Amino acid sequence: KAGVTQTPRYLIKTRGQQVTLSCSPISGHRSVSWYQQTPGQGLQFLFEYFSETQRNKGNFPGRFSGRQFSNSRSEMNVSTLELGDSALYLCASMTSGTTDTQYFGPGTRLTVL
Amino acid sequence: DQQVKQNSPSLSVQEGRISILNCDYTNSMFDYFLWYKKYPAEGPTFLISISSIKDKNEDGRFTVFLNKSAKHLSLHIVPSQPGDSAVYFCAASDRGSQGNLIFGKGTKLSVKP
Repeated sequence: KAGVTQTPRYLIKTRGQQVTLSCSPISGHRSVSWYQQTPGQGLQFLFEYFSETQRNKGNFPGRFSGRQFSNSRSEMNVSTLELGDSALYLCASMTSGTTDTQYFGPGTRLTVL
Repeated sequence: DQQVKQNSPSLSVQEGRISILNCDYTNSMFDYFLWYKKYPAEGPTFLISISSIKDKNEDGRFTVFLNKSAKHLSLHIVPSQPGDSAVYFCAASDRGSQGNLIFGKGTKLSVKP
């Protein structure tokens, strides 16, 4: 079974721009979660989607948004980029439940200049 | 306030010996715990998990112990191998918070040949 894939792997943007990241979950997995990893804050939860609906959301500003499509693929969008948004963005998929194991993709490294 | 704490930022062990990584948590609602291994610029790789109804789970060289009264879990790796050198993250979730894993800050394990 193919793992979680994320595109692009690397991205460089400038302040004020917006960016869209993509995540394809493991086949059969209906839940996709997004995380931000920075050296200072560690791994922090952004939001989770299940069956095209946002089920849960972390403490990030509204500039961070996401969506999920009927094939369970998910996208994350960050508008009006700030320098502090530079991070590794990870997505993870699981089958459906709250006590399922999440499997992570390789991440997208976003650099904001 | 950190709900999941890994108080040792680093650990160095000789090849063949046991590695013990520790994790403490504060939220008594957590009912599922996981350990992930991570290399720089890659996504976390799932190692092993444990439900709150158990106190031990084994998978090959990896064993996780859960002490609910102390709100403490540990990961034992026996025997340690140089390829185990990586950052290890402890994570926890509760069934009321779909898709949201709370991560510790990680412990960097170095296994010396």
